[in-house]
Amino acid sequence: GNSVTQMEGPVTLSEEAFLTINCTYTATGYPSLFWYVQYPGEGLQLLLKATKADDKGSNKGFEATYRKETTSFHLEKGSVQVSDSAVYFCALRGPRGRRALTFGSGTRLQVQP
Amino acid sequence: NAGVTQTPKFQVLKTGQSMTLQCAQDMNHEYMSWYRQDPGMGLRLIHYSVGAGITDQGEVPNGYNVSRSTTEDFPLRLLSAAPSQTSVYFCASSYGTPSGANVLTFGAGSRLTVL
Repeated sequence: GNSVTQMEGPVTLSEEAFLTINCTYTATGYPSLFWYVQYPGEGLQLLLKATKADDKGSNKGFEATYRKETTSFHLEKGSVQVSDSAVYFCALRGPRGRRALTFGSGTRLQVQP
Repeated sequence: NAGVTQTPKFQVLKTGQSMTLQCAQDMNHEYMSWYRQDPGMGLRLIHYSVGAGITDQGEVPNGYNVSRSTTEDFPLRLLSAAPSQTSVYFCASSYGTPSGANVLTFGAGSRLTVL
């Protein structure tokens, strides 16, 4: 079946540091890949997505590239801000048959001023 | 723009009590779903619906019932609450089954504690 593995948190960084949150997946075929973000006290929001190999999703300074050869979709940002403190979830949807997203366990990011 | 509205935001139950978590969306989304979020386990799908009158089980359906009598509403029922159902519950919806094109919109969550 499909699965998503994320690096465990929390990840604690200083403002303006470089961020990488690792995400690898197991799926048959070519899934669509997503990063969702959950700010304190709120529901999840889509941050970015990629639907085919080598696609790069980007939003709000965050980027992630769909790597089929390494089955990865790592999230990166060149300079984090305190306002980026949140929980980040990697997710996938299989190419056929599955009517739901499979989520990773989430990675909490704490950015200190 | 209300989006996905969940009620209540917080609830405390005793073991064996029943309750219903409400979910309503005003975006005319066909697809609605319920997830539970537990520490270290991410989000797990409980039940989902692809349209009015159609529901199906997700990854962890035991102890929960759903119905979809209208496009807008998708309530989640706990018939006899257990401490293992202590969690944060999220309702989410999309135009079609979630994909690269059909993005899930989440509610703000309902925190349930079962004593």
